[in-house]
Amino acid sequence: KAGVTQTPRYLIKTRGQQVTLSCSPISGHRSVSWYQQTPGQGLQFLFEYFSETQRNKGNFPGRFSGRQFSNSRSEMNVSTLELGDSALYLCASSFADSTYGYTFGSGTRLTVV
Amino acid sequence: AQSVTQLGSHVSVSEGALVLLRCNYSSSVPPYLFWYVQYPNQGLQLLLKYTTGATLVKGINGFEAEFKKSETSFHLTKPSAHMSDAAEYFCAVSPTSGTYKYIFGTGTRLKVLA
Repeated sequence: KAGVTQTPRYLIKTRGQQVTLSCSPISGHRSVSWYQQTPGQGLQFLFEYFSETQRNKGNFPGRFSGRQFSNSRSEMNVSTLELGDSALYLCASSFADSTYGYTFGSGTRLTVV
Repeated sequence: AQSVTQLGSHVSVSEGALVLLRCNYSSSVPPYLFWYVQYPNQGLQLLLKYTTGATLVKGINGFEAEFKKSETSFHLTKPSAHMSDAAEYFCAVSPTSGTYKYIFGTGTRLKVLA
């Protein structure tokens, strides 16, 4: 079965711009989470959605937002990009929650110049 | 607050030797525990998980981990390292209810020497 699909794989943006990243979860999975991975901070939780509702949010500024659609696909948006937003953004899906273990996508590598 | 500590950011073993990657957690109640592996330019792949039941958990690719409540540990082992095991390994915890997220350790990069 198809895995978690993230698009695009690579992205280069300029400071001040905004960006939207997309995630298609495994069919049947209703929970989608987003993580930011950087060499300095490691893997940090951004937010989690289940059936279009945000159930939890990490400690990121309001410039980071997300949403989930009725088909469980999810997007995250970062507005007013800063150099420090350069990172690998990982999306993960699960049937319901972490008990089942999350399946991760290959990520979107965002570079802000 | 929960936290995860992975001892050793880099571990080197010879091919065929035992792999031992250490993970300790801090939590008021035993959380769910996970090990993930990340190969270069890829996402994370679930190796194994502990939620309830048997404390010795077997995963993919010959890896296993033992949950020791008294030591708050969940170390990852593999009896015989293979060159293909070279990757970064992450231990993660998740509360048993409520927060729907992982707290990851800082990762251990495993190098396998020929």
